[in-house]
Amino acid sequence: GAGVSQTPSNKVTEKGKYVELRCDPISGHTALYWYRQSLGQGPEFLIYFQGTGAADDSGLPNDRFFAVRPEGSVSTLKIQRTERGDSAVYLCASSLGSGRSTDTQYFGPGTRLTVL
Amino acid sequence: AQSVTQLGSHVSVSEGALVLLRCNYSSSVPPYLFWYVQYPNQGLQLLLKYTSAATLVKGINGFEAEFKKSETSFHLTKPSAHMSDAAEYFCAVSSLNDMRFGAGTRLTVKP
Repeated sequence: GAGVSQTPSNKVTEKGKYVELRCDPISGHTALYWYRQSLGQGPEFLIYFQGTGAADDSGLPNDRFFAVRPEGSVSTLKIQRTERGDSAVYLCASSLGSGRSTDTQYFGPGTRLTVL
Repeated sequence: AQSVTQLGSHVSVSEGALVLLRCNYSSSVPPYLFWYVQYPNQGLQLLLKYTSAATLVKGINGFEAEFKKSETSFHLTKPSAHMSDAAEYFCAVSSLNDMRFGAGTRLTVKP
């Protein structure tokens, strides 16, 4: 596709369950980012991939959160033992990877996660 | 650490009026600055970015922003608002491989 896609668009789960959120970046983009956006807030950085490796995971809030990008394209954000506080919109973005500070990031529409 | 402050969580203007969305930043090194727009149920879309070239940056849809180092500001403007400009606008600062977003300003355009 032409843009970044994310699936599912909405996910409702129960407290304590495991969820996976998927991101399909723009073809050819080597950099991929995950953000979390809570209501009334701007995106908050979670993790950054350059290729297959997580170059910066300093934004992951705790060890319940994990992300992978095994082939350097699609990425999956995994959340274990979900809590109500995890409810948010999870955004994925990709960029060419030429320079993290200056790259234009292209965002997907997000996955709205609701933990009951 | 770097940060962004967007003054005014909600801004309302009449169609045809000037749009001014305020953004102030804090950064220990020369920053790169971005404005993104988010329409309902869509991803963030880049409006414009400053990467240390010209201080007056022109973006899409008639928006522009001016980098003022002395004021640590990067305010977004548009001379004449359209109904289609109604959206959420985010300012972001990037330096040392770290990007931080402001909390956003919701722009309402009245007919």
